[in-house]
Amino acid sequence: EIVLTQSPATLSLSPGERATLSCRANQSISGYLAWYQQKPGQAPRLLVYDAYHRATGIPGRFSGSGSGTDFTLTISSLESEDFAVYYCQQRGGWPRTFGQGTRVEVK
Amino acid sequence: QVLLVQSGAEVKKPGSSVNVSCKASGSTFNTYTFCWVRQAPGQGLEWMGSIIPIFSSPNYAPKFQGRVTITADESTSTVYMHLSSLKSEDTAVYYCARGGSPGIFDYWGQGSVVTVSS
Repeated sequence: EIVLTQSPATLSLSPGERATLSCRANQSISGYLAWYQQKPGQAPRLLVYDAYHRATGIPGRFSGSGSGTDFTLTISSLESEDFAVYYCQQRGGWPRTFGQGTRVEVK
Repeated sequence: QVLLVQSGAEVKKPGSSVNVSCKASGSTFNTYTFCWVRQAPGQGLEWMGSIIPIFSSPNYAPKFQGRVTITADESTSTVYMHLSSLKSEDTAVYYCARGGSPGIFDYWGQGSVVTVSS
C-alpha cells in the first residue's frame, strides 16, 4: 500500500499569505496525485489532479507541483474561504490512498 | 450538471449490516468509476473500494475485503455499498464519488451518516 504523509499537520497563516502544503509518498507514484479541500460538514472538493492540473472552476491561486514521491500544493494568497483541511490522494497504485490531511487555520 | 444523491442516515447495531445507495444523474453512468470513501468523526478520508458499472468487477481496499460489497444498477444509475459485521469503529460519514478518470474523484455525494451503537 502506498502511504502518503502530509506536512505540516496544521498551518497557521493570515489572509493574503502564501500557503505551502507538502505530500510525500513512500514509493514513486509518477504524477498521479490529487489534492482536495474539505470544509466542515461538506464533502471534499477536487482542486488539482495529476500533480498540477487544476480542476474545473478552481481559482488560479491554487497550484500543484511535484512528481515521483514529493508533491506540493501552493495557495498563492489566502482568501477567507481557503481556510479548510486539505488532503492529497494517489491513483498510482491500489488501493487508492489519502494523506492524513493538513489543516490551514487563521493565525 | 452531475449530481450524486445518497441515502439517508442509518443507526445500526454491532454485528449487523448496512446498505448505502448513491443515485447518479447528469452524465453517462456505466463508463465512469464510482467509489466509496468514509470519514470517521474527526478523522481523515479512507478509500473503501470502487466499481465501473459496465464491467461490474469491483476493487476493494484490503482492510475491507470480505466485509464490503459494492454493486451498480445500470437501470437506475445507482451504486450501492453494503458493509457487514458492523463495529463501533465503522461509525462514519460514507461518501460516494465519481471518477472522471480512474482514481480522480471529481463529483461527490452529500454523505450518509452511519452510526453503529448498541
